[in-house]
Amino acid sequence: AQTVTQSQPEMSVQEAETVTLSCTYDTSENNYYLFWYKQPPSRQMILVIRQEAYKQQNATENRFSVNFQKAAKSFSLKISDSQLGDTAMYFCAFMKVYNQGGKLIFGQGTELSVKP
Amino acid sequence: DAEITQSPRHKITETGRQVTLACHQTWNHNNMFWYRQDLGHGLRLIHYSYGVQDTNKGEVSDGYSVSRSNTEDLPLTLESAASSQTSVYFCASSPSGNYNEQFFGPGTRLTVL
Repeated sequence: AQTVTQSQPEMSVQEAETVTLSCTYDTSENNYYLFWYKQPPSRQMILVIRQEAYKQQNATENRFSVNFQKAAKSFSLKISDSQLGDTAMYFCAFMKVYNQGGKLIFGQGTELSVKP
Repeated sequence: DAEITQSPRHKITETGRQVTLACHQTWNHNNMFWYRQDLGHGLRLIHYSYGVQDTNKGEVSDGYSVSRSNTEDLPLTLESAASSQTSVYFCASSPSGNYNEQFFGPGTRLTVL
């Protein structure tokens, strides 16, 4: 069975600085997806970034980028130029590839506070 | 605009009562999912469906049931609510096939007293 671990329950960063959130996972699969979701106080789940395991190039979306280390089973999220609106709970998630569609396995979450 | 909605957004019930949480999506997605969110556990999969008349158990399915009679709806039923089922419940949907993104509803906060 796959597992996802986020070892940092809480983090804080000053506005405009860079922060990295850690995620490790365990799987015997070779073909899968990894995700970072953001959950602000509104509770809405928002997809931040995704990575296909077969791609060696790290995914980037504006100020958000990942460091995907497949052999180490590590998938960290870097937020550059942190903004107050980045304050939220962040979840790392794993999805095995199925023909019909995948099921998400989530980590425990990291609560990020961006301070002015 | 297409969307996914959940109702009610908040509910308080008593132990032993049957409760049904509604999920409705207008994207015509074949795949629908129910998750629960608890402190320290992230989101965990309760049940999922890959199409009409198809339902499958997830990681934490005990005490829950679902039925899929049409593409748009996947109601989640708690047969006899327990205090351990106090949680925030999220519904999600995605197109069928090898497609990875799931779209989440706004969540329902359920309190069982």
